[in-house]
Amino acid sequence: GQQVMQIPQYQHVQEGEDFTTYCNSSTTLSNIQWYKQRPGGHPVFLIQLVKSGEVKKQKRLTFQFGEAKKNSSLHITATQTTDVGTYFCAVSAGSARQLTFGSGTQLTVLP
Amino acid sequence: GAGVSQSPSNKVTEKGKDVELRCDPISGHTALYWYRQRLGQGLEFLIYFQGNSAPDKSGLPSDRFSAERTGESVSTLTIQRTQQEDSAVYLCASSFRGTSYYNEQFFGPGTRLTVL
Repeated sequence: GQQVMQIPQYQHVQEGEDFTTYCNSSTTLSNIQWYKQRPGGHPVFLIQLVKSGEVKKQKRLTFQFGEAKKNSSLHITATQTTDVGTYFCAVSAGSARQLTFGSGTQLTVLP
Repeated sequence: GAGVSQSPSNKVTEKGKDVELRCDPISGHTALYWYRQRLGQGLEFLIYFQGNSAPDKSGLPSDRFSAERTGESVSTLTIQRTQQEDSAVYLCASSFRGTSYYNEQFFGPGTRLTVL
């Protein structure tokens, strides 16, 4: 099946610092989605990227899809305590009918 | 409107017993997914239903696991002869599969299964 690596696994930052998580695949992807899971909660959809080199922004969050469509990043500017949670990428390739989730990056924001 | 609902929210069972988990997707969503999430881990795909097509069962870890879906509504995930390693949160998600790309998945709150 589709393999996807997400790094780092854990990240601790001081409130106000920036944060980036990366999602990497060895194969070309059809699309990539990002989800956030708060502690004790369930994953919530953030965004979907489908075009090569695509960049989308949501307030302090910036999502990017690589030119080769094999990697993606999520960048948070000036983190806040409300950003705490685990961020997952989810990918599909070719005619695959289901998404493969990365292992997630657990973000801790220290006040 | 109502989101994805799952029941029960918590289930404690003894090793060797069968359990049945239920998922009610969002009305109109043709796609339904089951995932398993062990403590502190990522989401492990189990099974995918899309309309009346044959389900994608490629993620089921063993023949003790099975799932059914009635049309485009309720789904049940059954685990027979439960083992301690089955302890996890079982998440259900649904989406409206309207294009060639995947639409966002809406997750239910999950069922936390504990096998003693």
